[in-house]
Amino acid sequence: DTAVSQTPKYLVTQMGNDKSIKCEQNLGHDTMYWYKQDSKKFLKIMFSYNNKELIINETVPNRFSPKSPDKAHLNLHINSLELGDSAVYFCASSQVDRANEKLFFGSGTQLSVL
Amino acid sequence: EDQVTQSPEALRLQEGESSSLNCSYTVSGLRGLFWYRQDPGKGPEFLFTLYSAGEEKEKERLKATLTKKESFLHITAPKPEDSATYLCAVQALEDTGRRALTFGSGTRLQVQP
Repeated sequence: DTAVSQTPKYLVTQMGNDKSIKCEQNLGHDTMYWYKQDSKKFLKIMFSYNNKELIINETVPNRFSPKSPDKAHLNLHINSLELGDSAVYFCASSQVDRANEKLFFGSGTQLSVL
Repeated sequence: EDQVTQSPEALRLQEGESSSLNCSYTVSGLRGLFWYRQDPGKGPEFLFTLYSAGEEKEKERLKATLTKKESFLHITAPKPEDSATYLCAVQALEDTGRRALTFGSGTRLQVQP
């Protein structure tokens, strides 16, 4: 069983389109995240959700909106896609109250905007 | 602003040739420093967390150490399966509630048989 799964693996789309990436975790964690990895391989936090409440939003354009229907899911919806949105997007989860904090990542969604 | 710089960007080793990867950081109060391994086409996989200067952690051929300004990931007698990108990340004390990690750009390690 995959701990953190995200779909699709690859997403190719035209500028201006709206798309969603889905993420599910079966670890029972209470916090989920979206990270963006750019062409230089830097991973940058976009959002995190803890018990359905948004607790981070790091200067991300409001075209990006996270949706969490329940504790196990955190989807990412992107409106009016732009060329600069092309990147690999990773979903992750963690348990807030554990001392040995570690993130569990999904395998990534490679988004290409043409 | 928190900053993480990793060096070298890429490293090629022969099997059995030990070496070290460097992670230099600036953070306003360190809560934790993290090492992850990332294979091509996959998400990062957790390796270690270090919380205070002088702390060391080991796992198989890997050993992570921490000072007040940098961390080293020592690889002893590496094997081809150790080939991956190794990512370093820090969490500031002020970010504890927000759980944000600041990542470096990684070191791409290639171990040749």
